[in-house]
This record gives sequence, structure tokens and C-alpha cells, in this order.
Amino acid sequence: GQQLNQSPQSMFIQEGEDVSMNCTSSSIFNTWLWYKQDPGEGPVLLIALYKAGELTSNGRLTAQFGITRKDSFLNISASIPSDVGIYFCAGRQGQFYFGTGTSLTVIP
Amino acid sequence: GAVVSQHPSWVICKSGTSVKIECRSLDFQATTMFWYRQFPKQSLMLMATSNEGSKATYEQGVEKDKFLINHASLTLSTLTVTSAHPEDSSFYICSGGVQAKNIQYFGAGTRLSVL
Repeated sequence: GQQLNQSPQSMFIQEGEDVSMNCTSSSIFNTWLWYKQDPGEGPVLLIALYKAGELTSNGRLTAQFGITRKDSFLNISASIPSDVGIYFCAGRQGQFYFGTGTSLTVIP
Repeated sequence: GAVVSQHPSWVICKSGTSVKIECRSLDFQATTMFWYRQFPKQSLMLMATSNEGSKATYEQGVEKDKFLINHASLTLSTLTVTSAHPEDSSFYICSGGVQAKNIQYFGAGTRLSVL
């Protein structure tokens, strides 16, 4: 099925730095979701977005539903080692579509 | 809330045998359950979508006779890999869909190794 364009593909950052990643699509969505997957585990839901322009936070994480409804952004502030993992976006319009993932490595 | 239990978490089997993976929504009713396959360092690849009480809808290229899906109740779906071969070795993940919230909640995944 269709996959969303997610960037960057991987990130290596110092502990304490902020992180930004985004997801884009050629189609509009009525829902955007952000998940985190640890090695050997299933994805865990971080944030769900339902309205264009919506900005939602979950602790140090903030995600936004793009105005065009074709993109979404996830920011992580003051990264810590346990933020390490793969982050996936997902959009829904009828079906669910998943991003290609962003692998985050945090260097202590 | 919204917990999905998947087991086994890891299974090793001999080539030619069948393996069953269970997916249960513990605290919600999943009208739709999804089964994914994931290769190392890659995204989720949807295999099939199942609705309670009806036949699963398989994605193109997924053999329905090889990957049998049963969704007998609103809280249980099973995936049976029949006559498994080494190329079926992979990480399989299920999820339960909450229609009203447009959200999928994932199980912890099953690592299948076929010898």
C-alpha cells in the first residue's frame, strides 16, 4: 500500500538537543498519528491529531496537523537517551497509511 | 487503556509446520484488526484487515491460504502461518482499530523464526 514520505530517515543527536521530523503525503488525511517503536516491540501511540492546524503535546513531544492536511510534524524537546527508537507517522483517510520511519539515536 | 496482547512473542518452528499467533484487545472492542509484517529497519507492511465475523481482506501479494486469519470475536483475532518456510521468518504485528477515534493500537509483535 501507499507509504508516506517521512524525513529524516535517521538522526544522531546529542542528549538535550531538540528533534524535529515530518511526514508528507500527496493526499489529504482526516487523522494523523505518531507512534514510537522500540526494538523488538510493537509501535506505541504517542499523539493523535484530528483537525487541520491542531497542535497537541504529550510531555516533551509536540505534534502538529498541517494546515494543508497533507503533512504533519513531530518535535521532541530536550532529548534523553530513552527517546531512542523508530518514530512512525500514520495518516488515515479511509485506510491507514504509514510513514517510512525515522530512526533516532541519542548520544549521552 | 487500549491494550492489545499478542502472543507468543517469539516462536521457533521447523519448516513445514504451522504456527498460530493470537491477538487480543484486552480493554476495548476492536471491530477491525490488522496484521502487519515488518522486515528489519523497514516500515510496517499491511498483510490483511479483518472485521469481526467476516472474511479477512488481504493485501495484494499476500497468500490467503498461507496466512489464515480468523476474527471470531470483537476481542480476538488469530493469524496462522501454514506450512511455514524460512522465508516466512519475520516480525509479525497485530493491531486493533478503534473506529470512533481513527486509531490503531498495536500488540508487542511476534518474532517468527522458521528453521
